[in-house]
Amino acid sequence: AQSVAQPEDQVNVAEGNPLTVKCTYSVSGNPYLFWYVQYPNRGLQFLLKYITGDNLVKGSYGFEAEFNKSQTSFHLKKPSALVSDSALYFCAVRDRNSNYQLIWGAGTKLIIKP
Amino acid sequence: EAGVVQSPRYKIIEKKQPVAFWCNPISGHNTLYWYRQNLGQGPELLIRYENEEAVDDSQLPKDRFSAERLKGVDSTLKIQPAELGDSAVYLCASSLVTSDAYEQYFGPGTRLTVT
Repeated sequence: AQSVAQPEDQVNVAEGNPLTVKCTYSVSGNPYLFWYVQYPNRGLQFLLKYITGDNLVKGSYGFEAEFNKSQTSFHLKKPSALVSDSALYFCAVRDRNSNYQLIWGAGTKLIIKP
Repeated sequence: EAGVVQSPRYKIIEKKQPVAFWCNPISGHNTLYWYRQNLGQGPELLIRYENEEAVDDSQLPKDRFSAERLKGVDSTLKIQPAELGDSAVYLCASSLVTSDAYEQYFGPGTRLTVT
């Protein structure tokens, strides 16, 4: 069965330090990969996506994600965390043969401490 | 550019009562989605529209849920009658599908509490 795993329910990082939010997937073929962020009482906001090409994808708010095909991972990263980055982060995957159905991870709560 | 608009933002109703949610997608977006999100979980797709046609409603509990997208723009999701287990955030999203690599844009959601 197709699935997306975000192994950490919560990640705590000190402000100014680099952050990583992990995502691994089990989807056939070469999927499209997405990261979304959700702030309290707000909808999901698109951060970035991987389609093809360079394994390092840059997105909004200084975030980037690294696609690793052999490890079937798509970890979200940021070189220097801000307190305002504290939010819930979701990884999502779409099979290229599936035309639209997104498979979502359960989310990772990111807490940036001053 | 205005984002996806949803109303109301919050709704509290008693069980067995009806409730309706409204969504206005981003202008020009041909595809519209309704999701349900429970606390601590990712969104769960309820229904997907391409223009005015519901192309996937396989996960919509049709005994009590209904949706419509008249004229292929705004959409309404209805629950009648509501049950306690329907308490969740209902998200609307839209996309402009011109290739495979499109993303979805979400509204702020409607938080439904059924008492």
